[in-house]
Amino acid sequence: EAQVTQNPRYLITVTGKKLTVTCSQNMNHEYMSWYRQDPGLGLRQIYYSMNVEVTDKGDVPEGYKVSRKEKRNFPLILESPSPNQTSLYFCASRPGTGDQPQHFGDGTRLSIL
Amino acid sequence: AQTVTQSQPEMSVQEAETVTLSCTYDTSENNYYLFWYKQPPSRQMILVIRQEAYKQQNATENRFSVNFQKAAKSFSLKISDSQLGDTAMYFCAFRLNPGYALNFGKGTSLLVTP
Repeated sequence: EAQVTQNPRYLITVTGKKLTVTCSQNMNHEYMSWYRQDPGLGLRQIYYSMNVEVTDKGDVPEGYKVSRKEKRNFPLILESPSPNQTSLYFCASRPGTGDQPQHFGDGTRLSIL
Repeated sequence: AQTVTQSQPEMSVQEAETVTLSCTYDTSENNYYLFWYKQPPSRQMILVIRQEAYKQQNATENRFSVNFQKAAKSFSLKISDSQLGDTAMYFCAFRLNPGYALNFGKGTSLLVTP
């Protein structure tokens, strides 16, 4: 089954404790991205990757890092989480060419205390 | 940057009725895609319908259809014969072609009542 898998689905942690949210897709997609969803703001793009070792900032990259060492994986790293990063996070992927829409993961709810 | 505006934060419709969700966008580009995504309480992002800007014909998917007015930069979603399972947050989204980012509106929360 084609899917984008995020882990964990829920996490409560404390300020300053480094965390990583993993994202993996099994569709051999070139393009992957991370979004955060906040009430009243919709979804905003954090980072995206066009292919292995190629990443770029989205609209709200501050406080986040990403890496793309393998085509299937695109982890989101919060080196020193802060309460304003409490949010619902989505990973998405799609082929690098063509008009295919993005496939979304099921979301990760992060709470930073 | 492209912006997407959904002017209706909340809407309500009775079961079996028809409802229209509005979306406008701002771009100076000519080639792009438009999408409607549904987010039920389970939080999944589900693609409802998409439209290519170069196609004049409005997209339809079963009970869902769009009214795409390119000159007016408007992309509304019509849900016919509303069902209780249509209760969800609906997001309008825009993507340039070629392009990488999906630009989302802030969403419209739709409640379908019996």
